[in-house]
Amino acid sequence: QITLKESGPTLVKPTQTLTLTCTFSGFSLTTTGVGVGWIRQPPGKALEWLALIYWDDDRRYSPSLKNRLTITKDTSKSQVVLTMTIMDPVDTATYYCAHRRLDTAMDTFDYWGQGTLVTVSS
Amino acid sequence: DIQMTQSPSSVSASVGDRVTITCRAGQGVSSWLAWYQQKPGKAPKLLIYATSSLQSGVPSRFSGSGSGTDFTLTISTLQPEDFATYYCQQGNSFPLTFGGGTKVDIK
Repeated sequence: QITLKESGPTLVKPTQTLTLTCTFSGFSLTTTGVGVGWIRQPPGKALEWLALIYWDDDRRYSPSLKNRLTITKDTSKSQVVLTMTIMDPVDTATYYCAHRRLDTAMDTFDYWGQGTLVTVSS
Repeated sequence: DIQMTQSPSSVSASVGDRVTITCRAGQGVSSWLAWYQQKPGKAPKLLIYATSSLQSGVPSRFSGSGSGTDFTLTISTLQPEDFATYYCQQGNSFPLTFGGGTKVDIK
């Protein structure tokens, strides 16, 4: 059974760096084809993809946020970490991590964490 | 970036109705289109991937079609548990992009 869970601060101040951890079980990030992505959703708004890391350490980022994002993996801990620098109130959102669906050439997400709401405010 | 445009943004329907949601891509995405369902306060749930492949466990009343730039999600017979917001997502190229969502509510 695949599960993912996000953890990190619920409140950050403007200009601070956000660090979110996705702890997963039921799969390994050493298996060919596996990937974990981050997606966010501001309150009442649509989903926005942020980043994706693959089993082979290939990393993809949203161009609009690329300079602020870093995604890493720790396979021994079954964790993926997302850092976002220079946080701003517009970054207030629920942040999700999700498992990339296997057995398809497209990047889509079949298992999601419950999400964690991050508020940016002084 | 490939812009994904959904229509309508909201639809009011009754249990038993047939509901169709459209997603248009700003450029061709081949068949790399997915649909998600999201209920308030919950994470999105994958319904369909690669245009028409049903995710395991998803009822057969959900179906997808299309290719290139125009795609459709159809709910053949709306059930009470289907009232939610639906999003399309293209997986043809990075950055991955989502549509703005279609809210299906009770008429």
